Amino acid sequence: SQTIHQWPATLVQPVGSPLSLECTVEGTSNPNLYWYRQAAGRGLQLLFYSVGIGQISSEVPQNLSASRPQDRQFILSSKKLLLSDSGFYLCAWRIQGRDQPQHFGDGTRLSIL
Amino acid sequence: DQQVKQNSPSLSVQEGRISILNCDYTNSMFDYFLWYKKYPAEGPTFLISISSIKDKNEDGRFTVFLNKSAKHLSLHIVPSQPGDSAVYFCAASALGNQFYFGTGTSLTVIP
Repeated sequence: SQTIHQWPATLVQPVGSPLSLECTVEGTSNPNLYWYRQAAGRGLQLLFYSVGIGQISSEVPQNLSASRPQDRQFILSSKKLLLSDSGFYLCAWRIQGRDQPQHFGDGTRLSIL
Repeated sequence: DQQVKQNSPSLSVQEGRISILNCDYTNSMFDYFLWYKKYPAEGPTFLISISSIKDKNEDGRFTVFLNKSAKHLSLHIVPSQPGDSAVYFCAASALGNQFYFGTGTSLTVIP
């Protein structure tokens, strides 16, 4: 069966520091991968998605970036965090093709001080 | 622009009764619709989905209804149980890769 791992679960970072969140998927090949952010009291905002190694689509202009160095690895990064980057970050995967649901990791709670 | 809307931020239902969660969308190109359940500090869990070629899909206590002409879908939970208390998100996609989520409805099932 497929599993998704996302870490760390919680992170407290000072403003201006770098960020690296990692997500890996097991038990499937060539999945679509996604990064979402949920701000307090808000819905899920799509940040990036990838349909293959090295292929990244960005949905929202921001100081975040994403990379997919391996088929089942998706990384969310920032060179300098802002206060507004605080939130709950979620990684998701899905089998490519029509009518396939996304499956989410347990998320990372990021607090910027 | 919010393409998927959940206009009720919260809903309270007595245990054993029916819970009805609603969702509206604006994009007529959406062809796949989903419901997710989310507990605090956890990722959303996929519950049930429906393709635009259907108007109803059932899985145990959960049924999703799709009204394409009204651009409306709903999730029915019967009977509601205290463990169903969570935030429910609806989502939609057009041709697969990108998914659009509503802002969620917090369901409380009162024992």
